[in-house]
Amino acid sequence: DIQMTQSPSTLSASVGDRVTITCRASQSVGMFLAWYQQKPGKAPKLLIFQASNLESGVPSRFSGSGSGTEFTLTINSLQPDDFATYYCQQSNSYSWTFGQGTKVEIK
Amino acid sequence: QVQLVQSGAEVKKPGASVKVSCKASSNIFMSYGVAWVRQAPEQGLEWMGWLSDYNGKTNYAQKFQGRVTMTTDKSTNTAYMEVRSLKSDDTAVYYCGRGRVGAIDYWGQGTLVAVSS
Repeated sequence: DIQMTQSPSTLSASVGDRVTITCRASQSVGMFLAWYQQKPGKAPKLLIFQASNLESGVPSRFSGSGSGTEFTLTINSLQPDDFATYYCQQSNSYSWTFGQGTKVEIK
Repeated sequence: QVQLVQSGAEVKKPGASVKVSCKASSNIFMSYGVAWVRQAPEQGLEWMGWLSDYNGKTNYAQKFQGRVTMTTDKSTNTAYMEVRSLKSDDTAVYYCGRGRVGAIDYWGQGTLVAVSS
């Protein structure tokens, strides 16, 4: 299976900060990379699909980039509603896999 | 408004089976597929498998091969996932979702399955 590794595992930031989360794949996944936001007790929410495409209704402060084995999720001007856990997920292989998650905490 | 509504929480004994349902408000699975993901307490997301609505083909994560069956009933827009031979570490919230372009764009609310003797 393709392993997905996110960094950092936890990130402390303030409202208004620019935040970057990295996701690395153990082998190339092309552009088949999605990002999700999850809040406690809730289902995940799709933010980005195919590495850089913003899902409908998601604020434009979220953006994704990368290809192959290295990807980033950037949140410009962090808002109070953005404190959550973020996951990457690949779908290039027969078996999809998620990263372990990155928790964005209030500094 | 697209909704996926999952069945209620279950408590099972080790060795038992559980079948979770996921009812869609419309035929949103058509031409796409259904993915199932689980999340153990205080843990991350774990992909379990996928069923293509287009051709009925299933892909299961290797660790669940032989123990999980995913199906759909197109007449009721309902997807099902059965897990057999439950163990305590199968305790988790199980989510269904619509798979589109390699991502899951609509999610159910989750179903807690607790396995305890």
